Amino acid sequence: TQLLEQSPQFLSIQEGENLTVYCNSSSVFSSLQWYRQEPGEGPVLLVTVVTGGEVKKLKRLTFQFGDARKDSSLHITAAQPGDTGLYLCAGDTTNAGKSTFGDGTTLTVKP
Amino acid sequence: ETGVTQSPTHLIKTRGQQVTLRCSSQSGHNTVSWYQQALGQGPQFIFQYYREEENGRGNFPPRFSGLQFPNYSSELNVNALELDDSALYLCASSVDRSSYEQYFGPGTRLTVT
Repeated sequence: TQLLEQSPQFLSIQEGENLTVYCNSSSVFSSLQWYRQEPGEGPVLLVTVVTGGEVKKLKRLTFQFGDARKDSSLHITAAQPGDTGLYLCAGDTTNAGKSTFGDGTTLTVKP
Repeated sequence: ETGVTQSPTHLIKTRGQQVTLRCSSQSGHNTVSWYQQALGQGPQFIFQYYREEENGRGNFPPRFSGLQFPNYSSELNVNALELDDSALYLCASSVDRSSYEQYFGPGTRLTVT
């Protein structure tokens, strides 16, 4: 059983479109991270959310942590080809620095 | 400040062999975690080392073992390789064992034939 479910698994859109990807769980997380991974490279940390209901913005990316700290979403405005990649969410239930990852959403932005 | 580095980049081994993968953590980070990422999946936690001691382990058999050294380097050793061990192996360093922010290396792609 996957602790963190990410949806959709694949997403292909045109440049300029908006999109939202989701990360859901039945577990409560002390913190949740979003990473982006490009082929042949390791994940790169985008953001950490720790407070229920928290919203963080990083340029065109908006991250939201659910009120109950069980789910999160990533919204991208006016997507660009450079946003293409695998978006992974990871949660820590123990506050001990050991993360559980979802299987990711593969985003392709076509020019 | 240097980032996290891993070696080798790619490796091909035969079933039953042993392999050692290496990682150099970010300077000042005393915690390193190792992950296995199979194709099309997210990284799976193997174990974590804090100040040269194992500090937690995921659902991996004992033939997966590790070492951490005082100079911010670490190793992942896998004995008796199986075909299913083919994956991208990632190490991630963090400033402390309770830190949830991890910084990943580029990974080692291991192929077992």
